[in-house]
Amino acid sequence: QKEVEQNSGPLSVPEGAIASLNCTYSDRGSQSFFWYRQYSGKSPELIMSIYSNGDKEDGRFTAQLNKASQYVSLLIRDSQPSDSATYLCAELIYNTDKLIFGTGTRLQVFP
Amino acid sequence: DTGVSQDPRHKITKRGQNVTFRCDPISEHNRLYWYRQTLGQGPEFLTYFQNEAQLEKSRLLSDRFSAERPKGSFSTLEIQRTEQGDSAMYLCASNAGLAGSSYEQYFGPGTRLTVT
Repeated sequence: QKEVEQNSGPLSVPEGAIASLNCTYSDRGSQSFFWYRQYSGKSPELIMSIYSNGDKEDGRFTAQLNKASQYVSLLIRDSQPSDSATYLCAELIYNTDKLIFGTGTRLQVFP
Repeated sequence: DTGVSQDPRHKITKRGQNVTFRCDPISEHNRLYWYRQTLGQGPEFLTYFQNEAQLEKSRLLSDRFSAERPKGSFSTLEIQRTEQGDSAMYLCASNAGLAGSSYEQYFGPGTRLTVT
């Protein structure tokens, strides 16, 4: 059973701080990973995709992938209250076209 | 708006009734996916299409569920003889597939089903 694991949180950070969200996965063959943001009652919104080891930056967001250790992380710099949401980590299962999601980490950014 | 659209956004039905949901993918996206999400969980894969061909269906999916994409554009998901356990958010996503250079899937707003 291929799994993606995330700490459910909540992760509470003050406004302006760096929020660090982590995710581990079990399928060593997976090559593609994604971070989605989901506000309460809404659908997931794609924030970042990462396919190679190392860091990928997009604005205030940085995704990190370490295939040897099988973890993916998302850093949010200068966190804002509007970043308060659940962040879902997903992997694209190798040789298929389906995403496997973690249960999500709830982030709370307080003023 | 050129994103993924879903209809209806909310559906309340009585146990035993049939329901059908519709999804319109992003224009020119040839891959379309259905997921289901319950409270506190991440989305769970149900099935997906490449154009009109249904390429994979989750083994967890009951025979009461069927999906179609007859002309390779919009898709429908039907649930027959609904049960209370079918209450969930049904999400549709699309991807450019072979025509694109990424594996990114973009979700629609979802259809929230409540079975009473």
